[in-house]
Amino acid sequence: AQSVTQLDSHVSVSEGTPVLLRCNYSSSYSPSLFWYVQHPNKGLQLLLKYTSAATLVKGINGFEAEFKKSETSFHLTKPSAHMSDAAEYFCVVSKAAGNKLTFGGGTRVLVKP
Amino acid sequence: GAGVSQSPRYKVAKRGQDVALRCDPISGHVSLFWYQQALGQGPEFLTYFQNEAQLDKSGLPSDRFFAERPEGSVSTLKIQRTQQEDSAVYLCASSIRTAPSLYGYTFGSGTRLTVV
Repeated sequence: AQSVTQLDSHVSVSEGTPVLLRCNYSSSYSPSLFWYVQHPNKGLQLLLKYTSAATLVKGINGFEAEFKKSETSFHLTKPSAHMSDAAEYFCVVSKAAGNKLTFGGGTRVLVKP
Repeated sequence: GAGVSQSPRYKVAKRGQDVALRCDPISGHVSLFWYQQALGQGPEFLTYFQNEAQLDKSGLPSDRFFAERPEGSVSTLKIQRTQQEDSAVYLCASSIRTAPSLYGYTFGSGTRLTVV
C-alpha cells in the first residue's frame, strides 16, 4: 500500500522569494516519486520524477526536489517564484516499475506581486 | 496526435442519465489510465489498460462505471444512471511503456462532468 501527504493545502509567496512545498510518502515498496503541476483548465504537467537514481532531482522551470528516505520526504523547492508558478501542485507516488499513481491532496500556490 | 485528447471537454448530465467519455491517447502508447478528480482533491485511480486488456479496475467506484479499449487505442469510460456524487473531472493518461512509472505519463485536459 502507498499514500502521500502534502503538508500544506495552500502556500502564499511573494514573487522572487523561495517556494517550498512539503510532501511525505508511505510505501511498502521502493517508490517512484513525482511532482505534477496543474494550471486552471489545463492537463497535469510533469515537473520532475525520482526513480532511484540521484536523490536530488532537477525538473523544469527551475524546480527541484530531494528524496530523503530516512524522512520519507520528497519536498519541492524553487529559489525564486514567478507569477506563472501560481497553480496546484501534486506530489505523487508509484511502485517502482509499477503503473498506478497515488496522488496527494494538492497544494495551491498563490504568488503575490 | 501530439497529446492525449479527451472529449467532450464539459458534460452536463441529468441525474439518471448515461454518459460516455472518450479518450484518444498518443499514438502507439501501450498503457492507458483513467482517473477521477473531485473538486478540491487529487486525482484517484479508476482503471488501467495495457493495449486492449483491462489489467486493473480496482478503482471503479461501482458497477455503474465501465471502461473499454477494444482495439488498444481509443478508450471510453461509461457511467450509467449518473448520480450527483459522480460530478468530477475525469482524466485520461497514457504511456508508451508497460512500466510507465519509469518512463512517464502524459495526461489529457480532462472531461468535467456535472450531474444536476
